[in-house]
Amino acid sequence: GEDVEQSLFLSVREGDSSVINCTYTDSSSTYLYWYKQEPGAGLQLLTYIFSNMDMKQDQRLTVLLNKKDKHLSLRIADTQTGDSAIYFCAESIGTGGFKTIFGAGTRLFVKA
Amino acid sequence: DAGVIQSPRHEVTEMGQEVTLRCKPISGHDYLFWYRQTMMRGLELLIYFNNNVPIDDSGMPEDRFSAKMPNASFSTLKIQPSEPRDSAVYFCASSPRRTGLGYTFGSGTRLTIV
Repeated sequence: GEDVEQSLFLSVREGDSSVINCTYTDSSSTYLYWYKQEPGAGLQLLTYIFSNMDMKQDQRLTVLLNKKDKHLSLRIADTQTGDSAIYFCAESIGTGGFKTIFGAGTRLFVKA
Repeated sequence: DAGVIQSPRHEVTEMGQEVTLRCKPISGHDYLFWYRQTMMRGLELLIYFNNNVPIDDSGMPEDRFSAKMPNASFSTLKIQPSEPRDSAVYFCASSPRRTGLGYTFGSGTRLTIV
């Protein structure tokens, strides 16, 4: 069945780059997403990448997609304490791609 | 737009009682999703609707769970009778017709069954 896997924790120092990795199983995924969840809040869409793209950059965020290996990564440049949150990788599946499967989330700790 | 609105934000109920969670999606969004989040199981899709019609309810854990969407601006998730293992954060999310735009999530309802 469909599955999305990601490491559970990442700790970085303020100012360094963070790289959060994810693997997925559905090769027919049309879109892959990164969501951010802050304490007590719902998930917020950070960025997405279409499956025919290799890379997408949006300010401090860079998404890399290796479709052959079904590997997705999110790089956050110049990580700030405000970036501390849980980051979810997700893939759209099924006809029309409306159903989304989420990973377990990577908790990012940023040390000042 | 005020975003996806869920109520209540917190609910503490005794085991065996009926619980009703409410959601108002973003106007114009054709899809509505109910997710449950727990430490052990992460984020689970319970059910989703397209134009008020349930499309996939394979994630609904038991017959104790039911969901309705009587119109485009309102949905409910009901648990009857509730059990302690139903304690979780329940999220509602909505999405427009066009794929790739992702979901907009509500702030969630933290449900505790004692």
